[in-house]
Amino acid sequence: DAKTTQPPSMDCAEGRAANLPCNHSTISGNEYVYWYRQIHSQGPQYIIHGLKNNETNEMASLIITEDRKSSTLILPHATLRDTAVYYCIVKGRGSTLGRLYFGRGTQLTVWP
Amino acid sequence: GAVVSQHPSRVICKSGTSVKIECRSLDFQATTMFWYRQFPKQSLMLMATSNEGSKATYEQGVEKDKFLINHASLTLSTLTVTSAHPEDSSFYICSARETLLETQYFGPGTRLLVL
Repeated sequence: DAKTTQPPSMDCAEGRAANLPCNHSTISGNEYVYWYRQIHSQGPQYIIHGLKNNETNEMASLIITEDRKSSTLILPHATLRDTAVYYCIVKGRGSTLGRLYFGRGTQLTVWP
Repeated sequence: GAVVSQHPSRVICKSGTSVKIECRSLDFQATTMFWYRQFPKQSLMLMATSNEGSKATYEQGVEKDKFLINHASLTLSTLTVTSAHPEDSSFYICSARETLLETQYFGPGTRLLVL
């Protein structure tokens, strides 16, 4: 599975959009981009995943560049409860039996 | 999203005892579950892959005789930390893979403290 690079930390004002970038320049054609977040002392929470098209759900939007070498997770109206570590993970469908390998992620702090 | 539970949520035990942690998928069946460990201020580290009805697959450096995994049904996997020592104190998290979507859903974690 391809490696990802994320900034270690980001800040965002409450009510504003939080845009979290992720680089995955070695991604291969059958690999998906998954986003999870972990609020302190809890298990990770699934947010969204995508292959090449942009995706949106009730939690967030995922924008994947045309060359698929980077992506951005967008929380449209950040709240204090969105403060968490956000992990971007690249994984092939059906590969490695679904194992996920977590990097260091981005600590997002939403301030009032 | 799908719900995964863990029990207990926290446990304190004496050095040398064994501790069992349960992981259940509550509203879906999971042929594959995973066990992770997380030390303070570090990321999650995958320990093993638990397959229903077969032996678990351990990541490099994880002692299979120390961390016993049983996945006897499509909704339950257990991790037993045998002869626990203080260095085994950590946050243990399980996940279950929803087969159709190939998405992993995580449990809330179990905090283990070995005295």
